[in-house]
Amino acid sequence: GAVVSQHPSWVICKSGTSVKIECRSLDFQATTMFWYRQFPKQSLMLMATSNEGSKATYEQGVEKDKFLINHASLTLSTLTVTSAHPEDSSFYICRGTSLHEQYFGPGTRLTVT
Amino acid sequence: DAKTTQPTSMDCAEGRAANLPCNHSTISGNEYVYWYRQIHSQGPQYIIHGLKNNETNEMASLIITEDRKSSTLILPHATLRDTAVYYCIVMTGGTSYGKLTFGQGTILTVHP
Repeated sequence: GAVVSQHPSWVICKSGTSVKIECRSLDFQATTMFWYRQFPKQSLMLMATSNEGSKATYEQGVEKDKFLINHASLTLSTLTVTSAHPEDSSFYICRGTSLHEQYFGPGTRLTVT
Repeated sequence: DAKTTQPTSMDCAEGRAANLPCNHSTISGNEYVYWYRQIHSQGPQYIIHGLKNNETNEMASLIITEDRKSSTLILPHATLRDTAVYYCIVMTGGTSYGKLTFGQGTILTVHP
């Protein structure tokens, strides 16, 4: 069945560098992508919503210039964490949706040293 | 979207039914009740959803009270692999592309 994949599954980067996380929908076209992050022992927090071909809508408190989201096609969305800092270390999860389907990705563990 | 209240944690013996409650007293008429679960370090997994009628699928049953102010997710024969955080979410409409807002959920521990 349709799934959503994320790459990489985990990444370690140095403070000040940028990291790109890919979210791909397989066997279905995700017209909308939601990006969440989850800190240890906390719930998922919605960061932004993006529709294919449009600019992302960010939740209050999420810096759009720091978390760059691109949703250029119906099967790929990317989240780039720019100038990463240790406080950006988190579990990042995407959710792809179409009119009748929705799937979460397996998540990407980001550790900034 | 309406807010939900769930117990912080619950225990269940393997093989027994796990009944997870959720209060959503401010739910409005066009809001559905969704249940997801998240096993440690994985993405959330959809379980079931409903509007006002009870629902059942291969994973679980969802019982919604007549006034729709609360619901119960039932895992009929819990296994160790059902240990996870269970989230009850209310969302406008029955479409799949709505914005899901997660609360703290219930940590269900299934023990031998």
